[in-house]
Order: sequence, then C-alpha cells, then structure tokens
Amino acid sequence: DQQVKQNSPSLSVQEGRISILNCDYTNSMFDYFLWYKKYPAEGPTFLISISSIKDKNEDGRFTVFLNKSAKHLSLHIVPSQPGDSAVYFCAASVSGAGSYQLTFGKGTKLSVIP
Amino acid sequence: DAGVIQSPRHEVTEMGQEVTLRCKPISGHNSLFWYRQTMMRGLELLIYFNNNVPIDDSGMPEDRFSAKMPNASFSTLKIQPSEPRDSAVYFCASSFFPPLDEQYFGPGTRLTVT
Repeated sequence: DQQVKQNSPSLSVQEGRISILNCDYTNSMFDYFLWYKKYPAEGPTFLISISSIKDKNEDGRFTVFLNKSAKHLSLHIVPSQPGDSAVYFCAASVSGAGSYQLTFGKGTKLSVIP
Repeated sequence: DAGVIQSPRHEVTEMGQEVTLRCKPISGHNSLFWYRQTMMRGLELLIYFNNNVPIDDSGMPEDRFSAKMPNASFSTLKIQPSEPRDSAVYFCASSFFPPLDEQYFGPGTRLTVT
C-alpha cells in the first residue's frame, strides 16, 4: 500500500508558465515533507521541504503548499524554465528522535517546453 | 565537498555472480542509506546505518543482500548470488540525522544482471 502517491506520472508546461506538481499521503503520522528533483543519470537532489506546522514554504521560484486536512501537498514552480525539466519526487517522514525513514512517491516527470 | 560518491556507476554481471556496490558518504554525516529504484516499486529503502551501526535492514529483500559500514567514510552493498530481478539503480544517500531529514544522494549504480 503506497503511503505517498503522485498520481500524475508526467506533466508538460510551457516555459514561463506555472508548474504544479501534486502529492497525496495516507499516513496521518507524517509531519515533514520534502521534494526532490532528479535528472537522468543523477541521484535525487533535495529541493524544498515543509513541516506540518506550516502550510506554505517558499524558496525562490519554488513554493510548497501543505493541506493537512486533505493530506495533500503541492509544489509550484513559477516561472517554469527548461532547466526544470526533471522527475520530481515527493517524500514524507515522521520527524523526531529515532525517525529517519523517508517514504517516496513514484515521481512526476516534468517537461518544460521552450 | 564532493558529495556522495558511488562506484561503479554501471555494473553488468551474469546471474549467480557476486556484486559489490560501494559508497562514500559526505564527510561529517552520521547516517547512511541504501535505496533501490525500479519502475515497478519506485525508490525503496533497503538499509539504514547510523554512526556506522545498521539500524534497520527490514527493506533488504533477501539473505542474498548484505551491507556493511566498516567506518564513517565507506559502505558496501553486496549481492551474492545475483539474479536478473536484482537489476535496478541502487542509490546511496547520507545525512546528518538527527536533526536533518534531508538526505543527499549519490549518482547511483545501474546494475544489470543477465
């Protein structure tokens, strides 16, 4: 049973427009969420995170929104650039001493069209 | 820092052979993770070390898989004997946990077992 789901395997967006990547989770114990970006032949790279005490975290062009009641988070990229084309993974964890495991979604492939 | 280093980047071997994957974590990090990525199952955690001690190996698929961390700067993942279904990309990641949940990934080893 997948605890972190990314239901869109792929997404195409025009350069300059907004990209919205979605992620749903089922485990209500998750309280820390991360997004990773992965280029071909490279490992995932940490992008941005959010704690469950917040509902928004922003870093430059990247913003993550968290809706705890809906168990849903999203990553917004504005404006989208061709270099953003990659696979994006959502991950979740239960923070606190002794907690270490990240549970990953299967990823969404973003293509930004010039 | 050079980041997490993995070797080899690609490995092609025949069924029944022993395979050893290597990882050098980021200096100063105290946690090391081995993941496997497949199309069907996505990113799966195989084993987690903290301060060189294996904490959780429940993700290791079978006794054919073993992992060691003899010191803070080196870890191996061994498959003996290898099988075609072991073909996947294997990632090593490190972090400083606690308190950070962000994990830093190596470039991965693409294993093909024929």
